[in-house]
Amino acid sequence: GIQVEQSPPDLILQEGANSTLRCNFSDSVNNLQWFHQNPWGQLINLFYIPSGTKQNGRLSATTVATERYSLLYISSSQTTDSGVYFCAVDHYNNNDMRFGAGTRLTVKP
Amino acid sequence: GAGVSQSPSNKVTEKGKDVELRCDPISGHTALYWYRQSLGQGLEFLIYFQGNSAPDKSGLPSDRFSAERTGGSVSTLTIQRTQQEDSAVYLCASSLWGRNTEAFFGQGTRLTVV
Repeated sequence: GIQVEQSPPDLILQEGANSTLRCNFSDSVNNLQWFHQNPWGQLINLFYIPSGTKQNGRLSATTVATERYSLLYISSSQTTDSGVYFCAVDHYNNNDMRFGAGTRLTVKP
Repeated sequence: GAGVSQSPSNKVTEKGKDVELRCDPISGHTALYWYRQSLGQGLEFLIYFQGNSAPDKSGLPSDRFSAERTGGSVSTLTIQRTQQEDSAVYLCASSLWGRNTEAFFGQGTRLTVV
């Protein structure tokens, strides 16, 4: 089945710093989503981005489908950005969204 | 509804008892997913429903787990004879058509088996 790898697994930042999270996948995908899981466990939709670039405030994402990766950029990080960031992909051979293991981000004041 | 709704939010049960977890998807969404997340871990796929098609049960970990979706809307995940290793957060998501459409998650049900 398709493999989804996220890096880095853990990231600690000082408030105000910028960061880049990466999601690699092993085959062509129909769809890719980025989620933020907050400390209360809720999965928040960040981007639905099968290809191209999108921006939402301090966050932006780029998916290069032909090279099988996606990047999530967080600028001017805030403590409320802390949590786990997941990418999830749809593959033609699976009905489910296949999740990466996540990147745990800690933003210190 | 405004979002995916799951109930209960928390459930504590004794080992060996049966439990039912409920998911109300976003109105009009034909696809519904169940996932399980153990403490500090990623999301493990359990089951997928799409419209009137037969569900994809390929992720169910044992025959103690089952799910149904009545009338193409509400879904119930049932765990029989619960074990301590079933303790986890059970997450439900829905999307408009399944593949190629954005999925939205509920807040989850935290199950603790004692």
